[in-house]
Amino acid sequence: DAMVIQNPRYQVTQFGKPVTLSCSQTLNHNVMYWYQQKSSQAPKLLFHYYDKDFNNEADTPDNFQSRRPNTSFCFLDIRSPGLGDAAMYLCATSRVVEPTYEQYFGPGTRLTVT
Amino acid sequence: KNQVEQSPQSLIILEGKNCTLQCNYTVSPFSNLRWYKQDTGRGPVSLTIMTFSENTKSNGRYTATLDADTKQSSLHITASQLSDSASYICVVTGLTTSGTYKYIFGTGTRLKVLA
Repeated sequence: DAMVIQNPRYQVTQFGKPVTLSCSQTLNHNVMYWYQQKSSQAPKLLFHYYDKDFNNEADTPDNFQSRRPNTSFCFLDIRSPGLGDAAMYLCATSRVVEPTYEQYFGPGTRLTVT
Repeated sequence: KNQVEQSPQSLIILEGKNCTLQCNYTVSPFSNLRWYKQDTGRGPVSLTIMTFSENTKSNGRYTATLDADTKQSSLHITASQLSDSASYICVVTGLTTSGTYKYIFGTGTRLKVLA
């Protein structure tokens, strides 16, 4: 059974039109992460939630926001998508933010900006 | 600067052959190193995880080695199968100056196994 679920798997949006990507987990993990992965590049961490505590990476643009209404769900909001935001967006979870605890990744949402 | 470099960028081998992928890192202080397999259009899946005191770890046909002194790791795939075609990503966990953990990803090696 899928443990980290991302919807939709493919999303097309127009330049400047807000878009929301969703992630849910059945693992009851405390931490949820959002990564951006562009073609042939490593995943880049945007931010993560430890329970309700939001931790933003220093170089994440303000255009990217996140919400975590409860343990199971986390959303990535892109307020005004640009062409450069086209990428695969990966959600991941872990029990805690400690190196021995594994990260579990979802299948990703591929975002296209037209 | 904390970096993780992988080589080669891409690799093509015939089914049944062995191959070795390399990962060099400059992350310090170092906590652990993971190898992930990422199928095209999917999220990464963990293969192995090693702390600085572990030299080798196996997961089926996948064997990872770690030399914490030279800051090098390798992933050896034995008797490759078509399903091994994927990107293999090395991820090193380090400590930030504020005492939190940070995952540093390599750019991956894209492996193609041909029949």
